[in-house]
Amino acid sequence: AQTVTQSQPEMSVQEAETVTLSCTYDTSESDYYLFWYKQPPSRQMILVIRQEAYKQQNATENRFSVNFQKAAKSFSLKISDSQLGDAAMYFCAYRGGLTANSKLTFGKGITLSVRP
Amino acid sequence: DTGVSQDPRHKITKRGQNVTFRCDPISEHNRLYWYRQTLGQGPEFLTYFQNEAQLEKSRLLSDRFSAERPKGSFSTLEIQRTEQGDSAMYLCASSFRGVQETQYFGPGTRLLVL
Repeated sequence: AQTVTQSQPEMSVQEAETVTLSCTYDTSESDYYLFWYKQPPSRQMILVIRQEAYKQQNATENRFSVNFQKAAKSFSLKISDSQLGDAAMYFCAYRGGLTANSKLTFGKGITLSVRP
Repeated sequence: DTGVSQDPRHKITKRGQNVTFRCDPISEHNRLYWYRQTLGQGPEFLTYFQNEAQLEKSRLLSDRFSAERPKGSFSTLEIQRTEQGDSAMYLCASSFRGVQETQYFGPGTRLLVL
């Protein structure tokens, strides 16, 4: 079974600074997808960024980028120029590559606070 | 596109009562998922549908839980004889089957069983 581990329960960053959230996963599959989702307090979960395992290039979305290390099974999220609105819980998630196996497996999440 | 909607947003019930939640997916999405999230944890998969067919159920989904998706549109999740351990946020997500499949989540239904 696939597992996703987020070992840091909380992190804090100064506004305008950069922060990196860590995630590791375990799988025996060679084809899969990885995601970071953001869940603001009392608001719905939204997709931040996705990475296909077959792509060597790290995904980027504006201020958000990932460091995908397939051999190490590591998938960290870097947030640049942090803003107050980035404060939320962040979840790392895994999905198998077969379209018949589409459920997401989530980590426990990390609470990010942004200091003004 | 109005996104995934869920109703009700909050539900308080007494132990032993039955509750039903509804999820309306994004209109063109053919897959619909239910997850459960307890405080301070990540969502856990419960079940999913492709069109009207329920294709997978987690072992977390006990006999007291049942889900339907008639006509492949909205879905309902029913919990019978609720227990205090059922208190959680129930999340619905939808997606379009394919290689680029991405799940979009609704706001959730927060259940409190007294």
